[in-house]
Amino acid sequence: GDSVTQMEGPVTLSEEAFLTINCTYTATGYPSLFWYVQYPGEGLQLLLKATKADDKGSNKGFEATYRKETTSFHLEKGSVQVSDSAVYFCALSRNQAGTALIFGKGTTLSVSS
Amino acid sequence: DADVTQTPRNRITKTGKRIMLECSQTKGHDRMYWYRQDPGLGLQLIYYSFDVKDINKGEISDGYSVSRQAQAKFSLSLESAIPNQTALYFCATSDYGTGELFFGEGSRLTVL
Repeated sequence: GDSVTQMEGPVTLSEEAFLTINCTYTATGYPSLFWYVQYPGEGLQLLLKATKADDKGSNKGFEATYRKETTSFHLEKGSVQVSDSAVYFCALSRNQAGTALIFGKGTTLSVSS
Repeated sequence: DADVTQTPRNRITKTGKRIMLECSQTKGHDRMYWYRQDPGLGLQLIYYSFDVKDINKGEISDGYSVSRQAQAKFSLSLESAIPNQTALYFCATSDYGTGELFFGEGSRLTVL
């Protein structure tokens, strides 16, 4: 079945470091791909998304490119801040009526000053 | 006020008790979901509903039931709670076609 695999955390970085969180997926058809972020004590919120191959989603300095050839949607940020400390979830939607989002297990990011 | 509101936010109960978690939304979305979050396991889908007359089981529906009382209300019940149902529960909504979910702040349930 469809699935999402994320790199395991925790990821620990110093402020201003470069961030990559890997995400690969298995799906039939042409899913939409998402990154959600969960700050401490809060629910998940959408960070960015891409709906077709080669699309780049971006928000708050984060970027991810939908790579169909490698079935990947890696999250990147050039310079992380302490406020980026959170749990990041990669997810896919099969874009079919009657289906729900499938999430990866989440990657915890901790940024120190 | 939050667009997706969950009550209670925290609950401690004992094994065998019946528990209901409630969710209401003001986004006007037809689709509502209940997810469970456990450390290291990510989010697992319990039940989802695409309209008032539609209820679907997710990955881990055993031990849970739901009721869609209205477009804006979707409740999750544990008929007889057990300790391994201790988790953080999230309600979410979505509009048709976008795939984007809007989450509540979560309900932390502890079963002793």
